[in-house]
Amino acid sequence: EAQVTQNPRYLITVTGKKLTVTCSQNMNHEYMSWYRQDPGLGLRQIYYSMNVEVTDKGDVPEGYKVSRKEKRNFPLILESPSPNQTSLYFCASSLVGQGTQPQHFGDGTRLSIL
Amino acid sequence: DAKTTQPPSMDCAEGRAANLPCNHSTISGNEYVYWYRQIHSQGPQYIIHGLKNNETNEMASLIITEDRKSSTLILPHATLRDTAVYYCIVVQGAQKLVFGQGTRLTINP
Repeated sequence: EAQVTQNPRYLITVTGKKLTVTCSQNMNHEYMSWYRQDPGLGLRQIYYSMNVEVTDKGDVPEGYKVSRKEKRNFPLILESPSPNQTSLYFCASSLVGQGTQPQHFGDGTRLSIL
Repeated sequence: DAKTTQPPSMDCAEGRAANLPCNHSTISGNEYVYWYRQIHSQGPQYIIHGLKNNETNEMASLIITEDRKSSTLILPHATLRDTAVYYCIVVQGAQKLVFGQGTRLTINP
């Protein structure tokens, strides 16, 4: 089944403790992206990647890192999490090509930073 | 990317057609209209997209006006499972999606 898988789905942790949220897709998509969703602010893009070893900042990249060493994986790294990073996070992927391609989203990761 | 305007909420009776409007008066010639929906706090789900022609798939129909300044998403026979927030997004290349507040559609039994 074609899917985008995020782990963990839920995490409660403390300020400053490094964490990684993994994202994996099995559709051979070139494009992958991370969004965060906060009440009243909608979904906002954090980082995106057009292909392996190619990453770029989205609208709210501060406090986050990403890497794209393999096509299928796009982990989101919080080196020193802070309470303002408490949010619902979504990973997405799509093909890149002529015209437009729909994005496929994971089920989300709810992070609570205390 | 062009901005979109959607009503914040709508209600529809189960079994009836749900018609969700979207205004995108500043859309440019190479921008597509995309619709996604989000059920509770699940990941957004792609529904349909179009450039200028009307489109239909197994989930919905998309009607785009001739001047492309507005569109309507039609769910032909709404069910309770269609209760969700529906997002209309105008984008040139589908990679950067800018989500607004969407329309909260409630299907009533």
